[in-house]
Amino acid sequence: QVTLKESGPVLVKPTETLTLTCTVSGFSLTNARMGVSWIRQPPGKALEWLAHILSNDEKSYSPSLKNRLTISKDTSRSQVVLTMTNMDPVDTATYYCARLWGVNWFDPWGQGTLVTVSS
Amino acid sequence: SYVLTQPPSVSVAPGQTATITCGGDNIGSEGVHWYHQKPGQAPVLVVYDDSGRPSGIPERFSGSSSGNTATLTISRVEAGDEADYYCQVWHLSGDPVFGGGTKLTVL
Repeated sequence: QVTLKESGPVLVKPTETLTLTCTVSGFSLTNARMGVSWIRQPPGKALEWLAHILSNDEKSYSPSLKNRLTISKDTSRSQVVLTMTNMDPVDTATYYCARLWGVNWFDPWGQGTLVTVSS
Repeated sequence: SYVLTQPPSVSVAPGQTATITCGGDNIGSEGVHWYHQKPGQAPVLVVYDDSGRPSGIPERFSGSSSGNTATLTISRVEAGDEADYYCQVWHLSGDPVFGGGTKLTVL
């Protein structure tokens, strides 16, 4: 069974850096044509793709957030880490990680973690 | 940037057919994927590559795409189908794009 689980702080202050970890099981981060993406959803709003990392370590970022995001993976620990700098209240959202099939669709998704940005 | 347009809401009576559209420039040439998201839960893939159905998804869920519109069709709608539905493509620009979401209400 493939599962993904997000972990990280529930509350961060403005200007701080957010670090989120996605721990996967049931598949390897070295599986060809697979990757892991981060996607967020502000309360009551739509989904927004943030970044992905593929099995060959190729990375891609949302153009609007590229300067603030870094994605990396630790294959031995089956973890993918996303950092987002200079957090702002508008970054308050539920952050999901999801397995990426090829460069196509996301399945399955983690349960998500709500991050609130507030002083 | 590529934009996917969905109606904000669709309402349907139980047992009827729900149709949710996703508009985009020449979307028929892209692979379209659909997710449903029930309140407080993570999105779940219900259709991939226009019309593929993941294991565990009922045959009542089907998809199609042509021209500038992709469509998710839910036959014999049940109360449990009430959710937000999102379309998604991986655009030629190299980035995935989500639609704004459609809230399906079962009357």
